[in-house]
Amino acid sequence: NAGVTQTPKFQVLKTGQSMTLQCAQDMNHEYMSWYRQDPGMGLRLIHYSVGAGITDQGEVPNGYNVSRSTTEDFPLRLLSAAPSQTSVYFCATRTGNTGELFFGEGSRLTVL
Amino acid sequence: QQQVKQSPQSLIVQKGGISIINCAYENTAFDYFPWYQQFPGKGPALLIAIRPDVSEKKEGRFTISFNKSAKQFSLHIMDSQPGDSATYFCAATTGGYKLSFGAGTTVTVRA
Repeated sequence: NAGVTQTPKFQVLKTGQSMTLQCAQDMNHEYMSWYRQDPGMGLRLIHYSVGAGITDQGEVPNGYNVSRSTTEDFPLRLLSAAPSQTSVYFCATRTGNTGELFFGEGSRLTVL
Repeated sequence: QQQVKQSPQSLIVQKGGISIINCAYENTAFDYFPWYQQFPGKGPALLIAIRPDVSEKKEGRFTISFNKSAKQFSLHIMDSQPGDSATYFCAATTGGYKLSFGAGTTVTVRA
């Protein structure tokens, strides 16, 4: 039972490059989300999904795309990376309406 | 503009001491207030949570105090241990879909 798995753990990009951060869960949770963590800013919600085929924007969605074709996977796409997107990205799932989020271990992205 | 303001940014406490972290919010629609604990290189994990219909919740050495009229809540870590050294985030949400986090407090417990 792996929980929430994020890949890659580390990535370096050049400005303008595109990439996808992968998130997979084996807990059968309907709710999945992406956060970015920056020093002094806490965690900020980028996008979230309440089920396959349904996505919505969070607090800082610009520059990021998501889709949810299956319950298990929720990839985050950067179409044209910018230095401002240098951050640690966390995927999180939630069960029911208890509010408890289960986080992956994070993906550290550096954009040069 | 962060919806949840957290202080202090960092604190150092001696082993056995009390750590106190404070959070304030403006949105009176918030109905769930969790605290998350994060160790270096790991994702945050739920530590304890409270709903606004209670003023205090205790789990082991961790206590949340909630003041609805002041729109403030705090985390108290009693008998702090070196293993409690971590970053702590308060958060708030309405309905659970969009969680707003504070900026985080790094706690260092000196042996």
